[in-house]
Amino acid sequence: SQTIHQWPATLVQPVGSPLSLECTVEGTSNPNLYWYRQAAGRGLQLLFYSVGIGQISSEVPQNLSASRPQDRQFILSSKKLLLSDSGFYLCAWSVWGEAFFGQGTRLTVV
Amino acid sequence: KNQVEQSPQSLIILEGKNCTLQCNYTVSPFSNLRWYKQDTGRGPVSLTIMTFSENTKSNGRYTATLDADTKQSSLHITASQLSDSASYICVVSAGGGNKLTFGTGTQLKVEL
Repeated sequence: SQTIHQWPATLVQPVGSPLSLECTVEGTSNPNLYWYRQAAGRGLQLLFYSVGIGQISSEVPQNLSASRPQDRQFILSSKKLLLSDSGFYLCAWSVWGEAFFGQGTRLTVV
Repeated sequence: KNQVEQSPQSLIILEGKNCTLQCNYTVSPFSNLRWYKQDTGRGPVSLTIMTFSENTKSNGRYTATLDADTKQSSLHITASQLSDSASYICVVSAGGGNKLTFGTGTQLKVEL
């Protein structure tokens, strides 16, 4: 069966520090991968999606970047975090029209 | 550009009441539509899936409808419970089903 792992579950980082959130998928190959952010009381905002290794599409300009070094690994990064980067980050993957979400990472930038 | 719009953005209802959430999409070619429930601080979980030929599908107290002509879907919740408080997200897939477009969700709060 397919599973998705996202870590860490919570993270508190100071302004200006780097960020690396990792997401891995098991049980499938060549999935579409997504990074979403959800601000408090707001809906999901698509940040990045990837249809294959090294292929990253950015939906909104921001302080974040994404990479897909392996077929089932998706990484969200930042060189210097801003206060506005705080939020709930979700990784998801999809194959044949069904999306599966990770449990999310609560990021607080202080 | 493929888009999925949901309304209302937020909704507060009393326990035991019914409610209906709306989803309009401009995704083409349409493959299927799913409704997800997202509890606070958790990842979304699938509730129902609707394909082009389906008009209505139920999952317990949740009933989803799809009108492929008008490109609209609704999620009806019957006899709401406190545990229904969550964000409900409409997701439409296009083409062979591998490209997804997400709505921003409706935040539902059920109160006593």
